[in-house]
Amino acid sequence: EPEVTQTPSHQVTQMGQEVILRCVPISNHLYFYWYRQILGQKVEFLVSFYNNEISEKSEIFDDQFSVERPDGSNFTLKIRSTKLEDSAMYFCASPPPGKETQYFGPGTRLLVL
Amino acid sequence: AQKITQTQPGMFVQEKEAVTLDCTYDTSDPSYGLFWYKQPSSGEMIFLIYQGSYDQQNATEGRYSLNFQKARKSANLVISASQLGDSAMYFCAIIPSQGNLIFGKGTKLSVKP
Repeated sequence: EPEVTQTPSHQVTQMGQEVILRCVPISNHLYFYWYRQILGQKVEFLVSFYNNEISEKSEIFDDQFSVERPDGSNFTLKIRSTKLEDSAMYFCASPPPGKETQYFGPGTRLLVL
Repeated sequence: AQKITQTQPGMFVQEKEAVTLDCTYDTSDPSYGLFWYKQPSSGEMIFLIYQGSYDQQNATEGRYSLNFQKARKSANLVISASQLGDSAMYFCAIIPSQGNLIFGKGTKLSVKP
């Protein structure tokens, strides 16, 4: 059964540095989502992406964040200048066409020092 | 605004017994989906079960069943015959009309041998 994959599994970066988190969604999925989970807290929606553009974003998704699908397969989340409070687990998710259930990737654990 | 409330921060259950994890929700959307996800200590988000707001019957998936009481706006998860591997965080979530998941704070389930 196809799975959503994410790389890297862990990333440590210095405050102010740029990071790019990558997701490979399941090939026939059309909608893609990024969520984050600060340690010990609930999962929060960041942004949704459809047809090569953002369809919705949360208040968390400010100008420091961007998403793109550069080559039609990878789906990336970029944080331009990381802050300490960006430390979290970042999940990519997508539903099969016509379905609501979102299947999550294994996540990238980001630590900003 | 949509909201998920999980009032049990932690629960204990004896192996082989059944356990109910509570979830109440608030939404003004007439159509919505309700989900439960499991998050083991390794961090991944595993989809367990889905209930559509117009579904007449309670959803079941193996040992998982969802006790959906629409008038009370509750969507409790019932796990039958608990196993040690069921020890994890459990998150209830709702998809209202706009498509992104809104999560509760989770319940940590510990299964005792």
